[in-house]
Amino acid sequence: GAGVSQSPRYKVAKRGQDVALRCDPISGHVSLFWYQQALGQGPEFLTYFQNEAQLDKSGLPSDRFFAERPEGSVSTLKIQRTQQEDSAVYLCASSLAGGVIKTQYFGPGTRLLVL
Amino acid sequence: GENVEQHPSTLSVQEGDSAVIKCTYSDSASNYFPWYKQELGKGPQLIIDIRSNVGEKKDQRIAVTLNKTAKHFSLHITETQPEDSAVYFCAASRSGGSNYKLTFGKGTLLTVNP
Repeated sequence: GAGVSQSPRYKVAKRGQDVALRCDPISGHVSLFWYQQALGQGPEFLTYFQNEAQLDKSGLPSDRFFAERPEGSVSTLKIQRTQQEDSAVYLCASSLAGGVIKTQYFGPGTRLLVL
Repeated sequence: GENVEQHPSTLSVQEGDSAVIKCTYSDSASNYFPWYKQELGKGPQLIIDIRSNVGEKKDQRIAVTLNKTAKHFSLHITETQPEDSAVYFCAASRSGGSNYKLTFGKGTLLTVNP
């Protein structure tokens, strides 16, 4: 079946521009995560949704970062007034919900370069 | 919060040899430990995971061991092949509520030389 998809795959932005990154999770997956992966580092947690509810946004680095999942499926990560330090790969992952920890399936990521 | 340390950062082996990557974690409440393989330009792909009620798990050439007392877990790849070359990440998570966010190590670049 189809996996997690993300678009665009690559994005170049000028410093100060706003960007929007899209994630299409696996159909039926209730949980959705966003991670940020700097060059040569492991992914770092940004935010978590269960259906449409954003239950944890403790990893968002500043108030310029905003995420939404209005219908409990597709999610968008928006970065306002981009800065050079925002350059990274943004990964989306989805999983089933339940009492036992479920596998997180990752998309290919969006590589953001801020000039 | 949780902190995951991963060693080594790079590992080069000859085809057919074994490779071992080690991780330690800080949060004693962590109870789920997945390993991901990431190839260039792709997202992380789960290769094996282990839960805290299990000490060892094996899947063909890949095995993972967990020592909860010492807060260590390791990935073992036997009979390595060139296609095993990639970056490998360990991660840890804890159940509680519904947010099973993963805390990752910094990764190990594995190179298998033919």
